[in-house]
Amino acid sequence: RKEVEQDPGPFNVPEGATVAFNCTYSNSASQSFFWYRQDCRKEPKLLMSVYSSGNEDGRFTAQLNRASQYISLLIRDSKLSDSATYLCVVSGIGGGADGLTFGKGTHLIIQP
Amino acid sequence: NAGVMQNPRHLVRRRGQEARLRCSPMKGHSHVYWYRQLPEEGLKFMVYLQKENIIDESGMPKERFSAEFPKEGPSILRIQQVVRGDSAAYFCASSPSDSRGQFFGPGTRLTVL
Repeated sequence: RKEVEQDPGPFNVPEGATVAFNCTYSNSASQSFFWYRQDCRKEPKLLMSVYSSGNEDGRFTAQLNRASQYISLLIRDSKLSDSATYLCVVSGIGGGADGLTFGKGTHLIIQP
Repeated sequence: NAGVMQNPRHLVRRRGQEARLRCSPMKGHSHVYWYRQLPEEGLKFMVYLQKENIIDESGMPKERFSAEFPKEGPSILRIQQVVRGDSAAYFCASSPSDSRGQFFGPGTRLTVL
């Protein structure tokens, strides 16, 4: 079983729509959780940390369910600039205590 | 505040040559991480360093790869006797001592001919 698993997509979504991504992780000892976005041939950029209580940053909402080992990201009122690959990221497993373990990403395409 | 700096951005080597990739962390960040991204693959952790110390190298291949983060100067990822399978994007990330989020540099794209 992969350490961090995501649906690769692509998700084709009209501008203005709401879209949700999910991610599961295999190690219950995982400590920290993040969503990053990566544009084509660019570096990953931290989008937001994910907390057990859920957290929101503008149009983005992240949720963590430790019991189900499940992380989600919701994007409301999607913009063309939201087109990117969204990476589910977990720390505390795989690459040492502080190395991040990345999912392969979910590809999102916002259509005008 | 400049972000994480990596150079070169693109590096071409022939099989058997050495590749040296450099990373300067963000100002105030003392933790450096190296990741590799193969084509169509996710990022894979390689090594975690603090100044003059390798903290975790569990993701580093056993041979030909080494990393350092000297007291002065950038962190260096060194690949000896490169092979075609080493062709990838190598990303460096840094974090301050009290943060869990890591910030990535623009990467070095290594092509081995």
